[in-house]
Amino acid sequence: GENVEQHPSTLSVQEGDSAVIKCTYSDSASNYFPWYKQELGKRPQLIIDIRSNVGEKKDQRIAVTLNKTAKHFSLHITETQPEDSAVYFCAASSFGGSNYKLTFGKGTLLTVNP
Amino acid sequence: ETGVTQTPRHLVMGMTNKKSLKCEQHLGHNAMYWYKQSAKKPLELMFVYSLEERVENNSVPSRFSPECPNSSHLFLHLHTLQPEDSALYLCASSQVWDRDYTFGSGTRLTVV
Repeated sequence: GENVEQHPSTLSVQEGDSAVIKCTYSDSASNYFPWYKQELGKRPQLIIDIRSNVGEKKDQRIAVTLNKTAKHFSLHITETQPEDSAVYFCAASSFGGSNYKLTFGKGTLLTVNP
Repeated sequence: ETGVTQTPRHLVMGMTNKKSLKCEQHLGHNAMYWYKQSAKKPLELMFVYSLEERVENNSVPSRFSPECPNSSHLFLHLHTLQPEDSALYLCASSQVWDRDYTFGSGTRLTVV
């Protein structure tokens, strides 16, 4: 089955700096890679996703890059703000047939210091 | 609320108790999921119901029993749990061919 590794497990940055979280996956058939943000005591929420037919996707201060050859993808947050503090989860999924489940990484606790 | 509602929000139960967690979605989705979230571990998929078909993680103990009476409701029946089962149990829903999950707020379960 799919295995997703996520690093680092914790990340602390100063407000305004950039933050990068990296994930690797094992199943070359995976072709959908979402990122979820979970604030303390709240539910995980999708913040951005990327499909295997593109290498990069941006949404304001958030971007995700994908390297299919190396089987890794990364989340980039620029101009970080205190409200970006949360746990971020990456996930990987293959699309179609009976393989519709997401396999998640262990999460990264991001702390943005004012 | 995002359209996926879980009850109760918190649950404390003894190891000999029987309880049930409930999840309800009003998003018109046709797939529902149970995930277990433990400290410092990945979100662990327990069960999937999709188009009335059940897919399960074979590593989930039989003391967890899911039930999906229709596409809008999902239950997780619990019996004779162990302290290591204490965790946040998250329900999610999606369209089968869309991996954009909507999560519920979860049930914080403590087994004493």
